[in-house]
Amino acid sequence: KNQVEQSPQSLIILEGKNCTLQCNYTVSPFSNLRWYKQDTGRGPVSLTIMTFSENTKSNGRYTATLDADTKQSSLHITASQLSDSASYICVVSDRGSTLGRLYFGRGTQLTVWP
Amino acid sequence: EADIYQTPRYLVIGTGKKITLECSQTMGHDKMYWYQQDPGMELHLIHYSYGVNSTEKGDLSSESTVSRIRTEHFPLTLESARPSHTSQYLCASSEEENLYNEQFFGPGTRLTVL
Repeated sequence: KNQVEQSPQSLIILEGKNCTLQCNYTVSPFSNLRWYKQDTGRGPVSLTIMTFSENTKSNGRYTATLDADTKQSSLHITASQLSDSASYICVVSDRGSTLGRLYFGRGTQLTVWP
Repeated sequence: EADIYQTPRYLVIGTGKKITLECSQTMGHDKMYWYQQDPGMELHLIHYSYGVNSTEKGDLSSESTVSRIRTEHFPLTLESARPSHTSQYLCASSEEENLYNEQFFGPGTRLTVL
């Protein structure tokens, strides 16, 4: 069964600290994996996207890694800010075209305290 | 931020009412999608469209219906709202030729049925 599992379910950190969010998937075939940020009451916004051949991708203070062999990905947030408080969703696509299906994780709810 | 709009952003309505959730995009995308998302849960695809006059049901069974008369417009209708329909509804769109199956999301409509 194609699934995307994220951990932890929720996380609280202090402003300025770093954190790492995890994503494990069983989707096959695999085309690409992306991380979305979803603010409360808003739609998801793409942070990074990685294909099979990419191990890491950065977007400012966000760095995603991918291990296609173990089917694991992580999202590392550096020097957290209050505006980083959001849900971070891992999404895996089984095909690169629009014929493909997207598999969504439940997200990690990150709260950054001052 | 992607040019995809949803109205209303919030809707509180009584049981038995007919409602239409609006979704419009100005990017000329052929494919459009409706997702349902409950708090702390993953997004579930309920409808999608490949283009004008094309609509398909998604993975999650839904009592809602959709129409696609114009490329830019993909409204969702509930003929008789019930409390079980309370959820967040997210609209998305993507280009037909899309290497990464990238979808752009609207801000969502938070529906509460009393």
